Amino acid sequence: EAAVTQSPRNKVAVTGGKVTLSCNQTNNHNNMYWYRQDTGHGLRLIHYSYGAGSTEKGDIPDGYKASRPSQENFSLILELATPSQTSVYFCASGDRDTQYFGPGTRLLVL
Amino acid sequence: QEKVQQSPESLIVPEGAMVSLNCSFSDSASQSIWWYQQHPGKGPKALISIFSNGNKKEGRLTVYLNRASLHVSLHIKDSQPSDSAVYLCAVSIPGNYKYVFGAGTRLKVIA
Repeated sequence: EAAVTQSPRNKVAVTGGKVTLSCNQTNNHNNMYWYRQDTGHGLRLIHYSYGAGSTEKGDIPDGYKASRPSQENFSLILELATPSQTSVYFCASGDRDTQYFGPGTRLLVL
Repeated sequence: QEKVQQSPESLIVPEGAMVSLNCSFSDSASQSIWWYQQHPGKGPKALISIFSNGNKKEGRLTVYLNRASLHVSLHIKDSQPSDSAVYLCAVSIPGNYKYVFGAGTRLKVIA
């Protein structure tokens, strides 16, 4: 089965600090995605990528940057973390149809 | 922008019951619709998808799509305590590989 891993699994950050969330996939999928999940909102798309070197803005990109240095790796960067970015973040990789999700990163910004 | 609404928000049923989950979407041009299952502390896992009007059955799962009414439903036959999870409906956006997710339905199956 498709494998998507995320690191770290849990992170506590301070307001104004820089946070980098990492995602690795071994599926050789071109498409990768970053979502956040909050109660009452379901999964909301932050950034996505169609392949190495490409990043696209999703539905809620403000305050986030993304980097896709290789087919396997996709990072989400919070340059100046804020308490409103406290959430659970999921990475996914996908082919034309199905998305395969990682286990999530729980981020707390104090 | 595509909007996806799921109902009910939560559901408690006895083991063996038939479960029906609903999902409404706003764009008739949407392509495939996926249902995902998410257990606590885990990432969502794809269950079943549908593209054409009508129904599709896989094991205990049946999904119905009516594009005219912009509605899709998931039915779980003979529900088990292991089916207890959040179920997410995801609708594809035409022209790219993006999906819009609903807020989910929390299902609890009591033994």
